[in-house]
Amino acid sequence: KAGVTQTPRYLIKTRGQQVTLSCSPISGHRSVSWYQQTPGQGLQFLFEYFSETQRNKGNFPGRFSGRQFSNSRSEMNVSTLELGDSALYLCASSLPGTDGYTFGSGTRLTVV
Amino acid sequence: AQSVTQLGSHVSVSEGALVLLRCNYSSSVPPYLFWYVQYPNQGLQLLLKYTSAATLVKGINGFEAEFKKSETSFHLTKPSAHMSDAAEYFCAVTPSGNTGKLIFGQGTTLQVKP
Repeated sequence: KAGVTQTPRYLIKTRGQQVTLSCSPISGHRSVSWYQQTPGQGLQFLFEYFSETQRNKGNFPGRFSGRQFSNSRSEMNVSTLELGDSALYLCASSLPGTDGYTFGSGTRLTVV
Repeated sequence: AQSVTQLGSHVSVSEGALVLLRCNYSSSVPPYLFWYVQYPNQGLQLLLKYTSAATLVKGINGFEAEFKKSETSFHLTKPSAHMSDAAEYFCAVTPSGNTGKLIFGQGTTLQVKP
């Protein structure tokens, strides 16, 4: 069965712009989580959506937002991009009531 | 608050040697624990998970880990390293109940020498 799909794989944006990243979970998975990975800070939790509702949120500024659609696909948006937002953004999906998280290949965002 | 500490940011072993990657956690509730592997320019692949069943967990690619509550540890081992095991390994914890939030350690880069 298809895995977690993240698009696009690579993105280059200019400081001040905004960006939207997409994540399509495994069919049947209703929980989608987002993570930011940087060399300095490692893997940090951004937020988690379950049945179109944000269930958990990490410690990131309000410029980072997300949403989930009725088909469980999720998007995250970063507004007013800063150089420090350059990172690999990973999304993970899971079934309700289980504790296995399947990750996508990520979107590499570069802010110039 | 939960946290994960991975001892050693870089570990180097010879091909065929034992692999031991260390992970200690802190959690106020019984945790669920995971080991993930990441190859360059890829996402994370689940190696194994502990969810309060057997304390010795077997995963993919010959890896296993033992949950030791008294030591708050969940070290990852493999009896014989292969060149293909060279990657970055992450230990992660989440409170039981599937909150959707994983807390990761800083990662350990495994180098395998021929």
